[in-house]
Amino acid sequence: KNEVEQSPQNLTAQEGEFITINCSYSVGISALHWLQQHPGGGIVSLFMLSSGKKKHGRLIATINIQEKHSSLHITASHPRDSAVYICAAVRAGSARQLTFGSGTQLTVLP
Amino acid sequence: KAGVTQTPRYLIKTRGQQVTLSCSPISGHRSVSWYQQTPGQGLQFLFEYFSETQRNKGNFPGRFSGRQFSNSRSEMNVSTLELGDSALYLCASSERDLRNNEQFFGPGTRLTVL
Repeated sequence: KNEVEQSPQNLTAQEGEFITINCSYSVGISALHWLQQHPGGGIVSLFMLSSGKKKHGRLIATINIQEKHSSLHITASHPRDSAVYICAAVRAGSARQLTFGSGTQLTVLP
Repeated sequence: KAGVTQTPRYLIKTRGQQVTLSCSPISGHRSVSWYQQTPGQGLQFLFEYFSETQRNKGNFPGRFSGRQFSNSRSEMNVSTLELGDSALYLCASSERDLRNNEQFFGPGTRLTVL
């Protein structure tokens, strides 16, 4: 079993829909990162959080440390949001490497 | 500030050869990490350098090595290339550790081993 699990693996939505991507982890962590990867490979860091909730524009990330679960929400989705979304955990006691989920391929249709 | 840069962007090698990839971090960032991304295994951590010292290493064979220079630029080397080494190699930099610091990724080097 992977230490970091994401669901769903693939997600297709219509433009305007509210989207949720889930991430669960089985190890103690000190922080969780959400990343976005576009076709061609470039990765952009969206959020880094260790508790509570963060919001950037239409994107919201939440984390529940006790339940070992994080979610990434996209409100009013747009075709330009189509990308792979990856959650990555910073293991407690090892703050120098990321352990990655397998990613969620999101396709938003116009 | 300029972002993380990686050279070359694309590389084709044959089995048994060796390859060196280069990464220039964001100015002021002292931590540089390397990752391998393949369709089968996803993103995997290779190693991390801080102030010219390797602080952490992932589960990869000794054919994978790296170093960091005094200006924080980093190189990774893969010797005796195998077909399975074909992958996207990503470099990322941060100010310090990842509990409180975002990591910024380069565009990657796509290595194809024939």
